[in-house]
Amino acid sequence: DTAVSQTPKYLVTQMGNDKSIKCEQNLGHDTMYWYKQDSKKFLKIMFSYNNKELIINETVPNRFSPKSPDKAHLNLHINSLELGDSAVYFCASSKETNEKLFFGSGTQLSVL
Amino acid sequence: GENVEQHPSTLSVQEGDSAVIKCTYSDSASNYFPWYKQELGKRPQLIIDIRSNVGEKKDQRIAVTLNKTAKHFSLHITETQPEDSAVYFCAAREPPGGYNKLIFGAGTRLAVHP
Repeated sequence: DTAVSQTPKYLVTQMGNDKSIKCEQNLGHDTMYWYKQDSKKFLKIMFSYNNKELIINETVPNRFSPKSPDKAHLNLHINSLELGDSAVYFCASSKETNEKLFFGSGTQLSVL
Repeated sequence: GENVEQHPSTLSVQEGDSAVIKCTYSDSASNYFPWYKQELGKRPQLIIDIRSNVGEKKDQRIAVTLNKTAKHFSLHITETQPEDSAVYFCAAREPPGGYNKLIFGAGTRLAVHP
């Protein structure tokens, strides 16, 4: 009955590979997000979608491409992974944009 | 754009003491200020939030105060318990008219010692 679920929980991969992280929410929320948390725990918004439409696209390398097939799902695909991409990636959702965010459990990405 | 500064970065208290974490923001038109708690290895979770038309909000042992003139807001935890140990993040939402993103502070690692 997890409200916001993301998979996988851990992702260990080599530099140069392409990987995807999936996120699903069953809260009926209209807005979904991807946040990146670096090793110093700093939380930074990457993307935000409202009803499948991209509304926030931060200064993120274009190797990162979000996709929202419907308002309950927001996936993140990363091409040509680099060492600096290692971080925890959190999916989140909210009923009102940028208010009362519900976070997923995170995906720990390690690029070797 | 909005900028949020959070202090202190680490805070150590004895069980039963109070803990106060402070944040300042730069955009006077920002209108929503949430606080998130992140336990070790877990997801951030909203613990309390306040809007710009309110000066103080309380929920059991936690309270948040907002000073719009000085552009700062604070989290107060009374009668701290070991389970309060976590990283706490403040955030400010940019005002309407732009992307009104949530901008997070850098976090405060609170340790409550029995």
